[in-house]
Amino acid sequence: AQKVTQAQTEISVVEKEDVTLDCVYETRDTTYYLFWYKQPPSGELVFLIRRNSFDEQNEISGRYSWNFQKSTSSFNFTITASQVVDSAVYFCALSGFGNEKLTFGTGTRLTIIP
Amino acid sequence: GAVVSQHPSWVICKSGTSVKIECRSLDFQATTMFWYRQFPKQSLMLMATSNEGSKATYEQGVEKDKFLINHASLTLSTLTVTSAHPEDSSFYICSARGGSLQETQYFGPGTRLLVL
Repeated sequence: AQKVTQAQTEISVVEKEDVTLDCVYETRDTTYYLFWYKQPPSGELVFLIRRNSFDEQNEISGRYSWNFQKSTSSFNFTITASQVVDSAVYFCALSGFGNEKLTFGTGTRLTIIP
Repeated sequence: GAVVSQHPSWVICKSGTSVKIECRSLDFQATTMFWYRQFPKQSLMLMATSNEGSKATYEQGVEKDKFLINHASLTLSTLTVTSAHPEDSSFYICSARGGSLQETQYFGPGTRLLVL
């Protein structure tokens, strides 16, 4: 069975601070995908990143960066110089290769204080 | 690319009526669409998976006769909540994947349903 754990239920930081959202996963699959989605107050889930299990390179996209460590089954997400627009619920998710379904974590509600 | 729309965004209905929600992939062909339900401050709960031209596969505990899903084309799936009751009030979100976007689900903006 697959499981995604986002231990941080809620995080609040002051604008311009850096913040890291943790994601730990469990799977018996040898190949799988990991995802991060953002859900702003409007409700739509916005796709942020997909990472293949065989690619452990970290990725940076503007103020966003992702650290994938297979040894610790973690796929953490860091926002640098946070902005108010980053306030949202962030979901980490997992799917196996050839498995259509996504297993979601419980989400982390991030509030950026102006 | 990868835009998914949902209609309506909001619906309020009386108990006992049926409500249809549409999910469309606007710029890609969605071989698979998914329907989720989300309660306030909770994660997404997968209700069913539908492949174009075939019957939907429902998750355990989801009533097939209550939540009718049709995926008649590669760009459209519909969810009909039949004989809605107040406990069906929720946020319903669809997602789609297909073609070169096969590995990633792209989500619609969601539909908030309130049954009075």
